[in-house]
Amino acid sequence: GAVVSQHPSRVICKSGTSVKIECRSLDFQATTMFWYRQFPKKSLMLMATSNEGSKATYEQGVEKDKFLINHASLTLSTLTVTSAHPEDSSFYICSAHLAGSTDTQYFGPGTRLTVL
Amino acid sequence: GNSVTQMEGPVTLSEEAFLTINCTYTATGYPSLFWYVQYPGEGLQLLLKATKADDKGSNKGFEATYRKETTSFHLEKGSVQVSDSAVYFCALYSSGTYKYIFGTGTRLKVLA
Repeated sequence: GAVVSQHPSRVICKSGTSVKIECRSLDFQATTMFWYRQFPKKSLMLMATSNEGSKATYEQGVEKDKFLINHASLTLSTLTVTSAHPEDSSFYICSAHLAGSTDTQYFGPGTRLTVL
Repeated sequence: GNSVTQMEGPVTLSEEAFLTINCTYTATGYPSLFWYVQYPGEGLQLLLKATKADDKGSNKGFEATYRKETTSFHLEKGSVQVSDSAVYFCALYSSGTYKYIFGTGTRLKVLA
């Protein structure tokens, strides 16, 4: 149980285009999901907290107009990288709280974004 | 603010060697502590957790004890295998902030 999926696992796009990444909790409901960015050989940087049915809360320094987050249902959150540029290339990871267990997050497998 | 400090890697061991990866934390209140493992090209997997002082988390031969007096949560395994090669992240969760704080990760390489 407690499986989180991400789609796509890998995406290559041209500079200036937008890319949508989906994060799904497959066998549980997640009122809160988190989006992280991981740079090569670095730790995870929390980008935003996504709550179902409300606006996401972004961390300081993260552009909310650049990284659009939508949490439309209890099992799906999406991250859209708008007008992507090469510096947005990174590994994006989502996670979800298991309802009733607020201290444990379950992570998706990550999405490798490469912007040419 | 809250923070997590991990020993820098990489750590290179021979198969069946003893492993210790140090982790210390700074936090207000009583955070929950975690170890996550990341295999190449994959996301993070929960390895073990402890939610209060003196708790011991264990899984797949790995152990870590929540030491409040030394604010530590060191990861140990008695006999590592090649398949344990991965990056290990120490993390804390504070119910006050509803956020996870991750350490920088320690890369472990086990040689046959």
